[in-house]
Amino acid sequence: NAGVTQTPKFRVLKTGQSMTLLCAQDMNHEYMYWYRQDPGMGLRLIHYSVGEGTTAKGEVPDGYNVSRLKKQNFLLGLESAAPSQTSVYFCASSYEAGGASTEAFFGQGTRLTVV
Amino acid sequence: DAKTTQPPSMDCAEGRAANLPCNHSTISGNEYVYWYRQIHSQGPQYIIHGLKNNETNEMASLIITEDRKSSTLILPHATLRDTAVYYCIVRVLDGTSYGKLTFGQGTILTVHP
Repeated sequence: NAGVTQTPKFRVLKTGQSMTLLCAQDMNHEYMYWYRQDPGMGLRLIHYSVGEGTTAKGEVPDGYNVSRLKKQNFLLGLESAAPSQTSVYFCASSYEAGGASTEAFFGQGTRLTVV
Repeated sequence: DAKTTQPPSMDCAEGRAANLPCNHSTISGNEYVYWYRQIHSQGPQYIIHGLKNNETNEMASLIITEDRKSSTLILPHATLRDTAVYYCIVRVLDGTSYGKLTFGQGTILTVHP
């Protein structure tokens, strides 16, 4: 059982380049999330999805787009990378159903540097 | 979600109990207290959660005060591998928060030999 897998683990981009981060989960979770973590700070929510074909903005969505075409995958896109997007990106998934919830399972992170 | 306050850092000797406090004085009646930890920039890992009763699992114990304004995470026998950033998070479980976790600065726990 792989849990949550992020691809790639490391990437260096030039300013203005685009890229897509892939998150895959094998737990059949409806809910998926993208967070970013900057040095010395906690995680901040970028976008999330409550099911296949649905996405919503989180706390810091500007400069990012997401798609959830398949239940098990959640893609985070950077159309025109900026140095301010240098960060560690974490994907997570969870089961949510009203008053019941599993804990969130996190991937190992993608370290992105924009130069 | 209610705001939490944690000390920025704590130390603990290996083999001793680590008691990590969290203040959540504005917590609402339907908000749960969650604890996660993050070891050396890995993805956060769930530890435990509770509403108002004390909880225990294989990793830790969670003690919530009767007025629910604060809680303590207890690692009963800390090891070097417990060195991590510990996050105390409060959230509702009524289907409105969509599982969103609001991370603060957390407490850096350092376990010494």
